[in-house]
Amino acid sequence: AQSVTQLDSQVPVFEEAPVELRCNYSSSVSVYLFWYVQYPNQGLQLLLKYLSGSTLVKGINGFEAEFNKSQTSFHLRKPSVHISDTAEYFCAVSDTSGTYKYIFGTGTRLKVLA
Amino acid sequence: GAVVSQHPSWVICKSGTSVKIECRSLDFQATTMFWYRQFPKQSLMLMATSNEGSKATYEQGVEKDKFLINHASLTLSTLTVTSAHPEDSSFYICSARPTGEPGYTFGSGTRLTVV
Repeated sequence: AQSVTQLDSQVPVFEEAPVELRCNYSSSVSVYLFWYVQYPNQGLQLLLKYLSGSTLVKGINGFEAEFNKSQTSFHLRKPSVHISDTAEYFCAVSDTSGTYKYIFGTGTRLKVLA
Repeated sequence: GAVVSQHPSWVICKSGTSVKIECRSLDFQATTMFWYRQFPKQSLMLMATSNEGSKATYEQGVEKDKFLINHASLTLSTLTVTSAHPEDSSFYICSARPTGEPGYTFGSGTRLTVV
């Protein structure tokens, strides 16, 4: 069985500071990894995904994430955050075949402070 | 890119009535769609897997007779909350992906309030 852990439920950070949102996963098979962002009362928007290849993945809005197989991690980073980055961030894993059903983490609320 | 449209965005209904939520893939065909429920400040809880042309697969603890799912075409899945009660009030989100491609696109969600 797969699982996803987002250790930080809330992360406050000042505007223009860097941020890292942590995601660790557990799986006995290969996985695909995803980060999504959710703004209030909206659906989820894909930030980036790791399917294969380079372990450093660049996404939208200046976000990037690095897949670390040995540490089973897929942490999300941004070098300089904006007020508009305030949102809920979800990490997800899926199988690499079949329906690709997601297992979601519990989410991290990023609060950017002025 | 893949676009999923969910309608309505919000709905208020009286207790005991039924509400239908639509999820459409606008520019691709989807044999599988997922329906989630999200409580305030929580993660998404998978309710069911909607399969085109066949019965939906429900997660443990989800009442099949209360949450009716129909996936009659490759671009449309519907979730009907039957005999809604206040405890069914929640945020419902669907997702879909182009066949053969990993990575799901999510609808914008439906805020259901039962009064």
